[in-house]
Amino acid sequence: QVYLVESGGGVVQPGRSLRLSCAASGFSFSTYAMHWVRQAPGRGLEWVAVMSYDGSNKYYADSVTGRFTISRDNSKNTLYLQMNSLKPEDTAVYYCARTMIIARDYFDYWGRGTLVTVSS
Amino acid sequence: DIQMTQSPSTLSASVGDRVTITCRASQSISSWLAWYQQKPGKAPKLLIYKASSLQSGVPSRFSGSGSGTEFTLTISSLQPDDFAAYYCQHYNSYPYSFGQGTKLEIE
Repeated sequence: QVYLVESGGGVVQPGRSLRLSCAASGFSFSTYAMHWVRQAPGRGLEWVAVMSYDGSNKYYADSVTGRFTISRDNSKNTLYLQMNSLKPEDTAVYYCARTMIIARDYFDYWGRGTLVTVSS
Repeated sequence: DIQMTQSPSTLSASVGDRVTITCRASQSISSWLAWYQQKPGKAPKLLIYKASSLQSGVPSRFSGSGSGTEFTLTISSLQPDDFAAYYCQHYNSYPYSFGQGTKLEIE
């Protein structure tokens, strides 16, 4: 059974940093591309970032470029999202999701998400 | 960037109804389109990929069609468990994007 479990969310002040984690199990993590997708309260889904299976390629949404960094540790089966210079509009539930390949592939499994609230 | 537009935003229907949700892409995405179902407080669940392929385990009352810029998700006979939000998503190129969602409500 595939499991993706996000953690690290919480309440943070604008301008501060937070690091999210996504622990994977039940599949060969090191062979999958991994993504972060977020959903602001009561809103739709927004793709945030992706990293290839080996970390050699990554892409970001314009809204987070230069502030967020995606990374992974295949030895720990864990995906990360380092979020710096947080803004109130970054408030959302952050999901990790997998695709088999980095290009032209769909999300077949998602985690349950972790809530990030940016507020003073 | 490719924009995805879904309609309607809200759909009221009854158990047993046939319903259709439409998704339009701002440029051609071939068949690189997925549909997801999301219930309150839960993660999205994959229903359809590559525009018309049914994900394993998803009931056959769900179907998808279309290519290029116009796509539809059809539920042939609504069941109580189907009342949820539905999102289309393109995966043609980065940045991936989603439609704004369709909330399917009980009439």
